[in-house]
Amino acid sequence: EAGVVQSPRYKIIEKKQPVAFWCNPISGHNTLYWYLQNLGQGPELLIRYENEEAVDDSQLPKDRFSAERLKGVDSTLKIQPAELGDSAVYLCASSRAGGTPYEQYFGPGTRLTVT
Amino acid sequence: AQKVTQAQTEISVVEKEDVTLDCVYETRDTTYYLFWYKQPPSGELVFLIRRNSFDEQNEISGRYSWNFQKSTSSFNFTITASQVVDSAVYFCALSEAGAGGTSYGKLTFGQGTILTVHP
Repeated sequence: EAGVVQSPRYKIIEKKQPVAFWCNPISGHNTLYWYLQNLGQGPELLIRYENEEAVDDSQLPKDRFSAERLKGVDSTLKIQPAELGDSAVYLCASSRAGGTPYEQYFGPGTRLTVT
Repeated sequence: AQKVTQAQTEISVVEKEDVTLDCVYETRDTTYYLFWYKQPPSGELVFLIRRNSFDEQNEISGRYSWNFQKSTSSFNFTITASQVVDSAVYFCALSEAGAGGTSYGKLTFGQGTILTVHP
């Protein structure tokens, strides 16, 4: 079974430029998460999707960040414009949907460097 | 609010030593789930274990074992006879279990413990 796929693995951009990250979850996983991981810290949730609906985006900085999950499968996270402080690893995870919080499976992440 | 504390920032051991990684959590929920993840140098978080708040039985999986004590809000992880391949950052995480809430399924991670196993 294929794991969570993310691309690109690395991205270097100048500040004020836009950037987008793509995620393909594990087949059959209806729940998709985007996390932000700063160096030396644990991941922090940005947004959670149940199918195509964003059910928790309370931690997403909506002035510059946006996300979508069309058709309830792949998802894209966008930053526009990027700031120096956005340099971090962006992780995508997926899990089964259900009545209890199932374990989340993570992709390899996209390491963003804003110069 | 939920909080997970991993007080050990870094641990260094020699191969074959046993090592315990501490995790203390805070939550107002009576039903919750606890997790451990491993993040090797490659960067990908690897799921190790999921435990619900009603199951306080300790669990052993090969060289790994977990000790859940609700009375002290701790969920500690022990590696027996450590190996160099165990070198990684280990994260403890907590999730609410209230289905339907906006924070349902949200993992709150600790800061992580960097484990280095020397040959």
